[in-house]
Amino acid sequence: DQQVKQNSPSLSVQEGRISILNCDYTNSMFDYFLWYKKYPAEGPTFLISISSIKDKNEDGRFTVFLNKSAKHLSLHIVPSQPGDSAVYFCAASVYNAGNMLTFGGGTRLMVKP
Amino acid sequence: DVKVTQSSRYLVKRTGEKVFLECVQDMDHENMFWYRQDPGLGLRLIYFSYDVKMKEKGDIPEGYSVSREKKERFSLILESASTNQTSMYLCASSFGGSGANVLTFGAGSRLTVL
Repeated sequence: DQQVKQNSPSLSVQEGRISILNCDYTNSMFDYFLWYKKYPAEGPTFLISISSIKDKNEDGRFTVFLNKSAKHLSLHIVPSQPGDSAVYFCAASVYNAGNMLTFGGGTRLMVKP
Repeated sequence: DVKVTQSSRYLVKRTGEKVFLECVQDMDHENMFWYRQDPGLGLRLIYFSYDVKMKEKGDIPEGYSVSREKKERFSLILESASTNQTSMYLCASSFGGSGANVLTFGAGSRLTVL
């Protein structure tokens, strides 16, 4: 049973608009969440993270929102650019239990010029 | 710049062959990980190691073993490859200690088992 789920396998957005990628988790022990981006033929690269003591973290065009009661997080990209086209993975961990990450299935984002 | 290098980008092996996937990191990281990536399933943890000669099973260790004889090197071994082990294999490393340190990934090794 997947503890971290990304229910949208793909998302298509027009350049300049907002991209919203969603992620749900079931394990209430998770208290640290990360987003990774992956281009074809490359390894995933870290994008942004959020601790459960926060409900929002922002880094330039990227913002992650966390709703603990709903066990839901989302990644907002504003404005979206063609270079953002990639697969995005949501990951969760228990902060003081080492660096073991549980990943979602990924969402392929396509930003059209 | 942190670098995780996976020696083989593409491999084609036959069922029953022994397969070695090598991973080297150059940032003196304590932790090293092996994941496999499959469509719709995301990244699943096979094994990890938090120190030389130490290893822990991840979520899907069956059919795999690992070796960590030196801090910078973590090898994944498929003793007898099977077709259901066709996948993308990703190695990662991170600093140890408490907290949640960011994992740095290698570029991946795509294995096809015929």
